[in-house]
Amino acid sequence: NAGVTQNPKFQVLKTGQSMTLQCAQDMNHNSMYWYRQDPGMGLRLIYYSASEGTTDKGEVPNGYNVSRLNKREFSLRLESAAPSQTSVYFCASSARGGHFDTDTQYFGPGTRLTVL
Amino acid sequence: SQQGEEDPQALSIQEGENATMNCSYKTSINNLQWYRQNSGRGLVHLILIRSNEREKHSGRLRVTLDTSKKSSSLLITASRAADTASYFCATRGNTPLVFGKGTRLSVIA
Repeated sequence: NAGVTQNPKFQVLKTGQSMTLQCAQDMNHNSMYWYRQDPGMGLRLIYYSASEGTTDKGEVPNGYNVSRLNKREFSLRLESAAPSQTSVYFCASSARGGHFDTDTQYFGPGTRLTVL
Repeated sequence: SQQGEEDPQALSIQEGENATMNCSYKTSINNLQWYRQNSGRGLVHLILIRSNEREKHSGRLRVTLDTSKKSSSLLITASRAADTASYFCATRGNTPLVFGKGTRLSVIA
């Protein structure tokens, strides 16, 4: 099992360009998440999908859109990239999701994005 | 926000010593989890403690939870150079996991 995979690993964009970050998991997990990690800020949740067909905003959703393509795949799209979106992006998944759950999350290796 | 706050922000110890990291949070939780992140990598789950538990062990890890003080501690005993990483607490209540800012642990051989 590959676990959680992310593509690309690195990306440089110019302000205003768009791109989609890909994430896939092969653990048959119901829930998937997108985080960004900035120095000194920890991880902040952008969007999550508790189950196939649903998506919800997290703490910092502005400037992003997501698609839960199927149970395996959850993509994050930047429609018009801004320098403030320079960050490391992590995708994660958990088995059942939902509230008040003891799920643990499995993380991908991250995508390092620079917006010039 | 129920975001956990780790303390200290950075910790440097000698190999063989114990490392203690603390986490404080603001609102009631269902469980609290600790994760480790090696430089340039994704986070890896270490241990989960439920709100009705006070202490939990896993190998060289010991986690305590004091819900009255809204705080948790992670103890790594007999630290090794390979324990060098950032450690994050994450709280779970009626929202998805909320992560703290992390403690950077350096274990010097």
